[in-house]
Amino acid sequence: GDSVTQMEGPVTLSEEAFLTINCTYTATGYPSLFWYVQYPGEGLQLLLKATKADDKGSNKGFEATYRKETTSFHLEKGSVQVSDSAVYFCALIIQGAQKLVFGQGTRLTINP
Amino acid sequence: NAGVTQTPKFQVLKTGQSMTLQCAQDMNHNSMYWYRQDPGMGLRLIYYSASEGTTDKGEVPNGYNVSRLNKREFSLRLESAAPSQTSVYFCASSGIGGSYNEQFFGPGTRLTVL
Repeated sequence: GDSVTQMEGPVTLSEEAFLTINCTYTATGYPSLFWYVQYPGEGLQLLLKATKADDKGSNKGFEATYRKETTSFHLEKGSVQVSDSAVYFCALIIQGAQKLVFGQGTRLTINP
Repeated sequence: NAGVTQTPKFQVLKTGQSMTLQCAQDMNHNSMYWYRQDPGMGLRLIYYSASEGTTDKGEVPNGYNVSRLNKREFSLRLESAAPSQTSVYFCASSGIGGSYNEQFFGPGTRLTVL
């Protein structure tokens, strides 16, 4: 079946450090890929997305590139801030399907 | 626009009690979803409704029922709550278009079953 695997957390970094959160997927069809972010006490918000191979999604300084050859969609940011502390979820949806498939989430803490 | 709203925000139940979680969206979306979030397990789909008048089981439907009351509202019912249903519940909705369906989430309901 379809699945998403994220790097295990928690991840703790200092402010201005470089961030990578790994995400790989297994899909039976042609997925669209997403990163969602969940700030403390809130629901999930879409951070960025990519709908086909080699697409790069970007938002708020975060980027992720849809790599079909490695079935990956790693999240990166060049210089993190304390306000980026949150839980990050990688997810996919198969074209024409209704259901998002989520990874288990990665908790990120940024220290000043 | 309020987006997706959920009530209540917090609830404590005793084992065997029943309750209904309410969800509404004002984005004219056709599809609505109920998820539960447990530590280390991401979000798991309980039920979804692809359109008004239809509902389908997701990954973890046991112990729950749903009602798509109209296009805006999608409720989740626990008939006889169990401690294993202690979780954070999220409602989401999505529209139609393109090759994907972006889902918009509500703020969640934190449920504790004693």
